[in-house]
Amino acid sequence: AQKITQTQPGMFVQEKEAVTLDCTYDTSDPSYGLFWYKQPSSGEMIFLIYQGSYDQQNATEGRYSLNFQKARKSANLVISASQLGDSAMYFCAMREVFRDDKIIFGKGTRLHILP
Amino acid sequence: NAGVTQTPKFRVLKTGQSMTLLCAQDMNHEYMYWYRQDPGMGLRLIHYSVGEGTTAKGEVPDGYNVSRLKKQNFLLGLESAAPSQTSVYFCASSPNSGTGYSTEAFFGQGTRLTVV
Repeated sequence: AQKITQTQPGMFVQEKEAVTLDCTYDTSDPSYGLFWYKQPSSGEMIFLIYQGSYDQQNATEGRYSLNFQKARKSANLVISASQLGDSAMYFCAMREVFRDDKIIFGKGTRLHILP
Repeated sequence: NAGVTQTPKFRVLKTGQSMTLLCAQDMNHEYMYWYRQDPGMGLRLIHYSVGEGTTAKGEVPDGYNVSRLKKQNFLLGLESAAPSQTSVYFCASSPNSGTGYSTEAFFGQGTRLTVV
């Protein structure tokens, strides 16, 4: 069974609109972390945002926020006021502390921002 | 500051040849990981290490071996390359999640490997 599920292979969004990228996860570990990474066409992996399983507040980093719904096991990435430079592949990832701390990734969502 | 450095950046192998990919990190991280990225498959964990001298299998370990003789280095070996191993390989490192610090993985720039 997939541990990280990203159900949107691709998305097209108009510039300046907000966009939500979906991520659901599956774990029985009480202590885990959730991450989002951006991969532009140049190929590097860029860390965006982190949410710990015990964090009470949703994480925010500039235009990025993580909509963490623990009971639903979802960790959606919200990008406000999208820009052309946001066009990239986005990966959701999870780290399970009691499963060797290994980090597992989803299949990704390719986001296209339209001018 | 170098961070995570992968060597080489590109390589073409013939089927059956062997090679070693080197990953070096200068951040004193305990954890190191090797992933492969294929279209539509995301990043899949090949092997990982939770400290010097330790290695463990990830999601897709077959056909690969690893070694972590020194804390800063994590080597990925292909003993007999196959076309199915054509991929982009990423190395990453991270601190132990128990440190209380940011625990995201820091990535190398990737190695594009083609097996013909």
